[in-house]
Amino acid sequence: GQSLEQPSEVTAVEGAIVQINCTYQTSGFYGLSWYQQHDGGAPTFLSYNALDGLEETGRFSSFLSRSDSYGYLLLQELQMKDSASYFCAVRGGYSTLTFGKGTMLLVSP
Amino acid sequence: GAGVSQTPSNKVTEKGKYVELRCDPISGHTALYWYRQSLGQGPEFLIYFQGTGAADDSGLPNDRFFAVRPEGSVSTLKIQRTERGDSAVYLCASMLGQGSNEQFFGPGTRLTVL
Repeated sequence: GQSLEQPSEVTAVEGAIVQINCTYQTSGFYGLSWYQQHDGGAPTFLSYNALDGLEETGRFSSFLSRSDSYGYLLLQELQMKDSASYFCAVRGGYSTLTFGKGTMLLVSP
Repeated sequence: GAGVSQTPSNKVTEKGKYVELRCDPISGHTALYWYRQSLGQGPEFLIYFQGTGAADDSGLPNDRFFAVRPEGSVSTLKIQRTERGDSAVYLCASMLGQGSNEQFFGPGTRLTVL
């Protein structure tokens, strides 16, 4: 089976930097994905790490350490529109995704 | 271009009834996934299609759930003898192929079983 742990809620102010951690236990691992979901909306893809290291895409970066079964999403220059739920997800066979319970990010002015 | 669409957006049914949920993936995407999301949880994998065939249905909770994709495009998730515990948002996602990293999700169908 697979299980993922991430904080349930994180709060920050506009312009700040926030890091959302994710640890996982899995029987089959091809990579770690991150998705953003606004309330009532569809999950949207943010990033994917198959190998150890940091991937940067604009204000968002994602890191993976396969030996530690650990990853994080880093959000910089936070904006109000970044208030949403963020999910880490393990990519398994056939690219099926096993999601964590999600981290609700609240950005205040 | 058009994204993944799902119909209906909302479905209210009574316990014991049969429901069908439809997914229109992005044109040309060969991989199609169904997930189910309960309140406060992440999406939970149900079934994966590569083309017309269900390559992995290990996430279907029981034999009341069935899905088809007869022409390799549109998919229908079918739930028989619905139970109150089936209430959730059912999400469909498509992906260009196994070489891609991004799944594109539809807006979901919110199913409520009374």
